[in-house]
Amino acid sequence: NAGVTQTPKFRVLKTGQSMTLLCAQDMNHEYMYWYRQDPGMGLRLIHYSVGEGTTAKGEVPDGYNVSRLKKQNFLLGLESAAPSQTSVYFCASSYGWGGSLAAHEQFFGPGTRLTVL
Amino acid sequence: QKEVEQDPGPLSVPEGAIVSLNCTYSNSAFQYFMWYRQYSRKGPELLMYTYSSGNKEDGRFTAQVDKSSKYISLFIRDSQPSDSATYLCAMEAAGNKLTFGGGTRVLVKP
Repeated sequence: NAGVTQTPKFRVLKTGQSMTLLCAQDMNHEYMYWYRQDPGMGLRLIHYSVGEGTTAKGEVPDGYNVSRLKKQNFLLGLESAAPSQTSVYFCASSYGWGGSLAAHEQFFGPGTRLTVL
Repeated sequence: QKEVEQDPGPLSVPEGAIVSLNCTYSNSAFQYFMWYRQYSRKGPELLMYTYSSGNKEDGRFTAQVDKSSKYISLFIRDSQPSDSATYLCAMEAAGNKLTFGGGTRVLVKP
């Protein structure tokens, strides 16, 4: 099992350019998440999905869009990149259902380092 | 004020010492409490999780939750250089959405 994978690993954009980050998981998880991590800020939730075809806003959704067309994939899009979106982006997934503590464990990908100039 | 507060460190200890980490929170609805470890340039990985108040032990790691004080702790006994990482506390009220602390960087010196 590859777990959670993210592409690309690194990317440099110019202000105003667009890009899509791809997240894939092979654990048959229902829930998927996109976070950004900035120094001293911990991880902040951008958008999440509770199942194929669903998406919802997290704590910091402005400037981002997402899609979950397939259960195993979760895409994060930046339509017009800004320097404030320079960050490390992490995707995560979890079972999300069931009463056990294990249902709440989120598995993280290796991250995408994005720089917007 | 952040919902979850965590001292950023860095916390430097000699090998073999006990590492003590903690987080405070303001949302009384939090009921699931987790600790994640993150090595440099890697994704976080779950270390411990607990539900409600109490202690949980797993090898060299002990997690404590005091809901009355809105305070959680992680203790690492017999610390090793391989424990050098950033430790993130995370909490969940409901709906499988986590709120993270800012992380504490720990350095265990040989």
